[in-house]
Amino acid sequence: EVQLVESGGGLVKPGGSLRLSCAASGFTFSSYTMNWVRQAPGKGLEWVSSISSSSTYIYYADSVKGRFTISRDNAKNSLYLQMNSLRAADTAVYYCARDPGHSSSSTFDCWGQGTLVTVSS
Amino acid sequence: SYELTQPPSVSVSPGQTARITCSADALPKQYAYWYQQKPGQAPVLVIYKDSERPSGIPERFSGSSSGTTVTLTISGVQAEDEADYYCQSEDNSGTVVFGGGTKLTVL
Repeated sequence: EVQLVESGGGLVKPGGSLRLSCAASGFTFSSYTMNWVRQAPGKGLEWVSSISSSSTYIYYADSVKGRFTISRDNAKNSLYLQMNSLRAADTAVYYCARDPGHSSSSTFDCWGQGTLVTVSS
Repeated sequence: SYELTQPPSVSVSPGQTARITCSADALPKQYAYWYQQKPGQAPVLVIYKDSERPSGIPERFSGSSSGTTVTLTISGVQAEDEADYYCQSEDNSGTVVFGGGTKLTVL
């Protein structure tokens, strides 16, 4: 069974840092582009970042560029998101999501259950 | 910036057909994807590449595209289909964009 499990969320003060992790199982993690997508409370979905299978290609939403860093460890079947200089607007549930790669455009066929990040003083 | 516009809400009676539109504000339109999200749950992909249905998704879910508008159609709506639905595509630079979401209410 394909499974993605996020961890690392919590309460952090503005300007603080947090590192999210996503543990993958049930598929060949090293073959897939992976993503982070977030959802602020009561709001819609917002793509945050993506990383290709071998970490060659990395992209960020403008809203997090320069503050967030995506990475992966294929030997550990894990995806990470290092979040620095956090703001109240970063408060959201953060989902780890897999891109199945069946088209030239991005999509997300498998999602984790999400981890809540709250930025507040 | 590239935007995808969805109606905030759609309401239908059980057994009726629900249509949720997603309009892009510019050409060219990339493939569109649709996700269903129930309260407290992660999104689920229900349509990919405009009109393809992933395995395990009921046949009552279908997608279509015309010009810069894509439509998710749910035929014979069931109570369990009540959820938020999001369309998703990409702009010309490859940046992923989501629509604002549509709340489907089954009366």
